[in-house]
Amino acid sequence: SQQGEEDPQALSIQEGENATMNCSYKTSINNLQWYRQNSGRGLVHLILIRSNEREKHSGRLRVTLDTSKKSSSLLITASRAADTASYFCATDANAGNMLTFGGGTRLMVKP
Amino acid sequence: DAGVIQSPRHEVTEMGQEVTLRCKPISGHDYLFWYRQTMMRGLELLIYFNNNVPIDDSGMPEDRFSAKMPNASFSTLKIQPSEPRDSAVYFCASNLGGGKEQFFGPGTRLTVL
Repeated sequence: SQQGEEDPQALSIQEGENATMNCSYKTSINNLQWYRQNSGRGLVHLILIRSNEREKHSGRLRVTLDTSKKSSSLLITASRAADTASYFCATDANAGNMLTFGGGTRLMVKP
Repeated sequence: DAGVIQSPRHEVTEMGQEVTLRCKPISGHDYLFWYRQTMMRGLELLIYFNNNVPIDDSGMPEDRFSAKMPNASFSTLKIQPSEPRDSAVYFCASNLGGGKEQFFGPGTRLTVL
């Protein structure tokens, strides 16, 4: 079963706009991670936020975590066409180094 | 390091044939994971190893699937006999443990006719 569920499933924006993707999960976690997958490629780790952190930044990425609501968001600022990809959240729910992935958000950034 | 290496990148086979997928994790990583990705079911964890020992294989769909890790630098996922519903992209990933980031290989796209 999927621990994380992303919302929306698909998002289409213009280059330069911000993109926000949300992730909800069901059980308590140690950390939450975001990954990116370009079409036909493997997943690439973007950022990890621990359960005792509320916000984290990495370049144009901003991740928030609200453990009371069991939700996280990924914000990509000033999007570029090269940001077009699927984005997945994954939770480490204290289950022996296993990650459970959500269904992903397909982001399309139009030039 | 070259990253996680998987072979073959594409495999087309006929129903009933044996399929073997291969993975070389990043050197020094203690954990190796096998995932399957389909449109319908998303990304599913099949099995993972710690120090070459299988820890959790609850995601392996049925007895037709088996995985081995004979040493720290090599793992195989075997499907025998293969069925059309096994068609998917199979990913291998590795990490250092502790819930840290996982490093994924490029995947093997399997098509069973």
